[in-house]
Amino acid sequence: DIVMTQSPDSLAVSLGERATINCKSSQNVLYYSNKKTYLAWYQQKAGQPPQLLIYWASTREFGVPERFSGSGSGTNFTLTINSLQAEDVAVYYCQQYYSTPWTFGQGTKVEIK
Amino acid sequence: EVQLVESGGSVVRPGGSLRLSCAISGFSFDDYGMSWVRQAPGKGLEWVSGIKRNGGITGHTDSVRGRFTISRDNAKNSLYLQMNSLRAEDTALYYCARDAAVGTEGVFDFWGQGTQVTVSS
Repeated sequence: DIVMTQSPDSLAVSLGERATINCKSSQNVLYYSNKKTYLAWYQQKAGQPPQLLIYWASTREFGVPERFSGSGSGTNFTLTINSLQAEDVAVYYCQQYYSTPWTFGQGTKVEIK
Repeated sequence: EVQLVESGGSVVRPGGSLRLSCAISGFSFDDYGMSWVRQAPGKGLEWVSGIKRNGGITGHTDSVRGRFTISRDNAKNSLYLQMNSLRAEDTALYYCARDAAVGTEGVFDFWGQGTQVTVSS
């Protein structure tokens, strides 16, 4: 199984500042034949189901604000939230869909400083 | 409007069985793969099992293989999870989730609100 490890486990960021979440996969999740990276990011607010933010490592889902961006390749990935807003308080998960069982990181809790 | 509504969660004793259902509306069910994803209290997300749009099984996580069976009825726009030999560690909120599109199996763009399964004596 591919193990996904996120860092940090939690972070507190001031409103309007940048939040950066890292995700590392135990195996490469780049499929060489189509050059696509099988990595997604989700946001889960308290008491709600997760919401898809990013897929193919950097493609923003329809309707997701531009302040959310994904980057990285191979085994190291980053979710960046530019100009953090109060409504961004949530737990964020990375997930690989390169091979089953599809696996998630342990989550990173983002709070307001 | 896309809607996924789970049901069937309950309190059950270890070794017992449950069948979860997910009623789908707002999209053409047989065009999408589906999955069950669970979340233990205060914990992260765990993919449980997935099924392709034609009913082929995508897979299961190791801990449920041989105990849980995913299925679908495209005529009834419904997804199911038959859970047997339940253990305390199966206690979780179970979500059904839709694959984003063909070619993105394993990316989940719509989720239900979840149904709670508690395994306790």
